Amino acid sequence: GNSVTQMEGPVTLSEEAFLTINCTYTATGYPSLFWYVQYPGEGLQLLLKATKADDKGSNKGFEATYRKETTSFHLEKGSVQVSDSAVYFCALKGQGNLIFGKGTKLSVKP
Amino acid sequence: EAGVAQSPRYKIIEKRQSVAFWCNPISGHATLYWYQQILGQGPKLLIQFQNNGVVDDSQLPKDRFSAERLKGVDSTLKIQPAKLEDSAVYLCASSHTYSGRTTDTQYFGPGTRLTVL
Repeated sequence: GNSVTQMEGPVTLSEEAFLTINCTYTATGYPSLFWYVQYPGEGLQLLLKATKADDKGSNKGFEATYRKETTSFHLEKGSVQVSDSAVYFCALKGQGNLIFGKGTKLSVKP
Repeated sequence: EAGVAQSPRYKIIEKRQSVAFWCNPISGHATLYWYQQILGQGPKLLIQFQNNGVVDDSQLPKDRFSAERLKGVDSTLKIQPAKLEDSAVYLCASSHTYSGRTTDTQYFGPGTRLTVL
């Protein structure tokens, strides 16, 4: 069945550091891929998405490219801020429902 | 545009008690979802409605969980009786439907944190 694997956290970075959170998936067909973010005490918010191979999703300085050849959708940001501290979830949606990874907690120190 | 509303935000009960959660989706969203998010894990779908009909409840523990969306707008999720392992955040989400097809993007509410003692 479909599944998502993302790097385990927590990830701790200094402000202005480069961020990569790895995400790989297993799916039949051509799923849509998503990154959701969950700030402390809040619900999940869609951060970005990509619906087909080689698409790049971007939002708030974050980017992720749908790589079908490596079945990956890694999240990147060139310069993180303290306000980016949150839990990040990679997810996919194929023919069925939205399937989430376990989440990666990011802490950014000033 | 108002987001997905959920209440209560927090609930503490003892095992074997019952509890109910309420969700009001974004206005006009025909599809509504309930998820269970156990600490340290990603959300897991419990049930999906389209209007007032159930689309998928394959992962709902039907011996103790029930959900309804009688008028196709707001929804209630109930647990009776609760077990210790039901401690989790219960998230409601909604998405738009065009010509009978549900769009990929789901909008989540803030969740209800349930603690079962």
